[in-house]
Amino acid sequence: EDKVVQSPLSLVVHEGDTVTLNCSYEVTNFRSLLWYKQEKKAPTFLFMLTSSGIEKKSGRLSSILDKKELSSILNITATQTGDSAIYLCAVETQGGSEKLVFGKGTKLTVNP
Amino acid sequence: EPEVTQTPSHQVTQMGQEVILRCVPISNHLYFYWYRQILGQKVEFLVSFYNNEISEKSEIFDDQFSVERPDGSNFTLKIRSTKLEDSAMYFCAVGDRDTEAFFGQGTRLTVV
Repeated sequence: EDKVVQSPLSLVVHEGDTVTLNCSYEVTNFRSLLWYKQEKKAPTFLFMLTSSGIEKKSGRLSSILDKKELSSILNITATQTGDSAIYLCAVETQGGSEKLVFGKGTKLTVNP
Repeated sequence: EPEVTQTPSHQVTQMGQEVILRCVPISNHLYFYWYRQILGQKVEFLVSFYNNEISEKSEIFDDQFSVERPDGSNFTLKIRSTKLEDSAMYFCAVGDRDTEAFFGQGTRLTVV
């Protein structure tokens, strides 16, 4: 059974801190790994990673995939209260439907 | 503008009733999905729809569920004879091969 595990499940930090969120996976037919941010309802897309070792960056957020270790990290530097959300890691599998297998998420709380 | 619009945003229904959840993609996409998220749990894949037919479905997607794209725009999820455990947030998502999936804002279904 395909599995995606995220850690930690929750994290409380102060504004300005740097955080690292982890995601590991065990899936057959890996295609890509995606990070989403879920604030109130819909997951909103952050990154899609397909190649190992290539960092993707968007402002204070960055992410990298390690296919050898079957894992990915999401870094957020200089955190702000607006970064408070649940961060979801999902793996896309090959096999026709391009479906996503999600982890449970990391709930990040950034306090002022 | 969101890629996907879902209606209604919240639906309350009595156990045993049928509900239809609607999704309208804004632009053309090849793949259509339904996911659900029971409160406090992870996002789970239900079904994918490609080329006007189901391409993959999960174990959750049993005979109680059906999907349709009747007029080439709306994409619907029908749940027959609802049960209490069907209460969840239902997300419609759209995507294409090798691109990220875009999620709608979700329909919160409450079965009483």
